[in-house]
Amino acid sequence: GEDVEQSLFLSVREGDSSVINCTYTDSSSTYLYWYKQEPGAGLQLLTYIFSNMDMKQDQRLTVLLNKKDKHLSLRIADTQTGDSAIYFCAESGYNKLIFGAGTRLAVHP
Amino acid sequence: DGGITQSPKYLFRKEGQNVTLSCEQNLNHDAMYWYRQDPGQGLRLIYYSQIVNDFQKGDIAEGYSVSREKKESFPLTVTSAQKNPTAFYLCASQDRPQETQYFGPGTRLLVL
Repeated sequence: GEDVEQSLFLSVREGDSSVINCTYTDSSSTYLYWYKQEPGAGLQLLTYIFSNMDMKQDQRLTVLLNKKDKHLSLRIADTQTGDSAIYFCAESGYNKLIFGAGTRLAVHP
Repeated sequence: DGGITQSPKYLFRKEGQNVTLSCEQNLNHDAMYWYRQDPGQGLRLIYYSQIVNDFQKGDIAEGYSVSREKKESFPLTVTSAQKNPTAFYLCASQDRPQETQYFGPGTRLLVL
């Protein structure tokens, strides 16, 4: 069945790295996505990775993909208070995206 | 500026009332989507449309209806049959299948 799983909560100290993990189910997914949602707002696309890639780096963001284990991670370097939000992992399914429940990232001084 | 707009930002529904949420996009995208988000949960797909005058039910379509008369617009009606409509509703659009979906700012629906 379709089920994207994420841990629900992560707390980090400002300046440390954050790592948000996700497992997905469909090995035929073409793209895997990370979205960010701030309180009361829509989802903002952070980054995505094509399924034939192992890693993608974009400024402070690093995405790692392990296709064998169907595991996706998002690393945020030098985490700032403005990074506090909910982060959603999503895989591309047939005619739709399949979302995880989201990981709430709390950044403390 | 290209983007997706949703209105209103907040909407109040009385018992037995139908309400309609607006979603407009000027990205020239073919596909549009409606999701429902409940506190502490992920997004659940209500309806989607891949082309004008055609739409399909998602995972939780009961109590909702949509239309797609224009490429730019995909309004969602929450009918009186939806017994628990309080949620945050998100609209998205997509250029081609399996490509990135872009989201609007959302509408929060509350029941009086």
